Amino acid sequence: EIVLTQSPGTLSLSPGARATLSCRASQTVGGNYLAWYQQKPGQAPRLLIYAASSRATGVPDRFSGSGSGTVFTLTISRLEPEDCAVYYCQQYGSSSAFGGGTKVEIK
Amino acid sequence: QVHLEQSGAEVKRPGSSVKVSCKASGGTLSSYSVAWVRQAPGQGLEAMGRIIPILGTPNYAQKFQGRLTITVDKSANTAFMDLSSLTFEDTAVYYCVRSRFVGSHEGTYWGPGTLVTVSS
Repeated sequence: EIVLTQSPGTLSLSPGARATLSCRASQTVGGNYLAWYQQKPGQAPRLLIYAASSRATGVPDRFSGSGSGTVFTLTISRLEPEDCAVYYCQQYGSSSAFGGGTKVEIK
Repeated sequence: QVHLEQSGAEVKRPGSSVKVSCKASGGTLSSYSVAWVRQAPGQGLEAMGRIIPILGTPNYAQKFQGRLTITVDKSANTAFMDLSSLTFEDTAVYYCVRSRFVGSHEGTYWGPGTLVTVSS
């Protein structure tokens, strides 16, 4: 079973800053079946990125995903106040698992 | 646009079972991955299992093997999650999730969640 470790646990940045979130897998994620989700309080998660780097429909282009194998990154190029949320990575290959999440705070 | 409607909140006793439904509109469930994900209060997301209805065989996370059953009524376009032998640790919001792409298991469409509370 693949275990995903996200870092940092919390990221506190100013509006307009660049945010870099990391997701490391305990084994290679086959097919780069890696997704990123955004979850705001009281809401269901929202898909941002699938297949490691493909942006989901309607997602602003300030969100981008990269990586392969065991190391993946979600970048928010210019933070907006509405980006305050918890971000989760998920591998969805032969089985499925989520990382523990990164909370993004806006100063 | 696919919309997933889930059944209402439940309160269950320890040792009992719960069955949550997820009805899809605006699109079919049959050819797509349908997964169940839960989130305990203040905690992260936990994958429980998934099924591609047209293929029939569900895939369960090891943690839930033996007490989780995922089924789909294709004629009603509705998925079900049945969890037995409930403990206090099963208190959580349970989400159903459908993929957008055939052959993929990414979670594009999410239901609003169903709160299951296990209480004596």
